[in-house]
Amino acid sequence: DAGITQSPRYKITETGRQVTLMCHQTWSHSYMFWYRQDLGHGLRLIYYSAAADITDKGEVPDGYVVSRSKTENFPLTLESATRSQTSVYFCASKFRLAGDSYEQYFGPGTRLTVT
Amino acid sequence: KQEVTQIPAALSVPEGENLVLNCSFTDSAIYNLQWFRQDPGKGLTSLLLIQSSQREQTSGRLNASLDKSSGRSTLYIAASQPGDSATYLCAVFTSGTYKYIFGTGTRLKVLA
Repeated sequence: DAGITQSPRYKITETGRQVTLMCHQTWSHSYMFWYRQDLGHGLRLIYYSAAADITDKGEVPDGYVVSRSKTENFPLTLESATRSQTSVYFCASKFRLAGDSYEQYFGPGTRLTVT
Repeated sequence: KQEVTQIPAALSVPEGENLVLNCSFTDSAIYNLQWFRQDPGKGLTSLLLIQSSQREQTSGRLNASLDKSSGRSTLYIAASQPGDSATYLCAVFTSGTYKYIFGTGTRLKVLA
């Protein structure tokens, strides 16, 4: 299927465990993003990547690690999960339309619960 | 720093009504603005994208307008239906940045 896929879609883990959320896109878009969505905070950017092997922090990067060895994959790892990381995580990519205009596409999300 | 506000936070209307959702942003130096729809427990679906040089975009019963100088965009939904019930988010891509800034959304409920 074309688009962005995320796995797993649902995950329950314990405090202190390492968790990796996967994101895969089929378009070869250069830019990819990880957001978390929480009630009262809307969508907040965790990390982004401008290309393979290029990543940078967003607004709320603490406790997360990313890598991008291939253009199509952008995994997000919680090194030692905490309850405050319970959230819905969205992966996104950005497509250049014309000039400096981009359109963003989102995956279906991963609902993570840390107990 | 770009800030995006959506008012109202929630809206209930009877079926068939025309309605307007508002999005305002503080920095008018934008590349484009995108409207999304999010159903409960689901991801974001792109509805309309307006580039900075455009004034409006239309798709079916949806019409989005952009007034960069005043920092405002509106999403007009004609003849609303219960299936339009969802949260609507606007996001702004600001010049000189790498990312979209999102509003917190308007939760719409269309009553049958």
